[in-house]
Amino acid sequence: DAGVIQSPRHEVTEMGQEVTLRCKPISGHNSLFWYRQTMMRGLELLIYFNNNVPIDDSGMPEDRFSAKMPNASFSTLKIQPSEPRDSAVYFCASQGEGLDEQFFGPGTRLTVL
Amino acid sequence: AQSVAQPEDQVNVAEGNPLTVKCTYSVSGNPYLFWYVQYPNRGLQFLLKYITGDNLVKGSYGFEAEFNKSQTSFHLKKPSALVSDSALYFCAVRVLNTGGFKTIFGAGTRLFVKA
Repeated sequence: DAGVIQSPRHEVTEMGQEVTLRCKPISGHNSLFWYRQTMMRGLELLIYFNNNVPIDDSGMPEDRFSAKMPNASFSTLKIQPSEPRDSAVYFCASQGEGLDEQFFGPGTRLTVL
Repeated sequence: AQSVAQPEDQVNVAEGNPLTVKCTYSVSGNPYLFWYVQYPNRGLQFLLKYITGDNLVKGSYGFEAEFNKSQTSFHLKKPSALVSDSALYFCAVRVLNTGGFKTIFGAGTRLFVKA
């Protein structure tokens, strides 16, 4: 298995632009998580899905952030418009039913200028 | 409130010496506890977990952790540290949330192993 796949690995954009981050979970996993990691705030859970349905989006910082999971093999996290304070590493993780641990992707390093 | 705490931002240890990375938790009910490791420019990797049973659990790369219910702790340990163990370590606890379970991560502890 290729593990959790995230794209792009690096994104540099200008303030005000739309950013879309993509995630492909491990095949057969039914839970998907989006996290943000910064030096100041550590690892923050933004939103998670179970069977493609958003369960808890209380960690989404603002209305500028949105996430979708149209099917079991794909999810997106969108920021529109982006701001410099959104600069961080964004991780996607998946978890299979009956499993206790999460499997993390390599992350997307976002820089908003 | 349900939470997990890692009281040390950084732990320094000499290669070959034993290491301990501390974690305490606050949850209602029986805790599901985890340790993850993050190497530079990588995602988190699962190391070990405690669900039930023996209080001493063994995981990847020679790591182990001891569950202590009375002290609400789950410290990560290794008898002999390697330079390659230098990384960021996260303790986590799974809690019951609206709609199901979710995992709460600690702030992380950076481990430096000096040759």
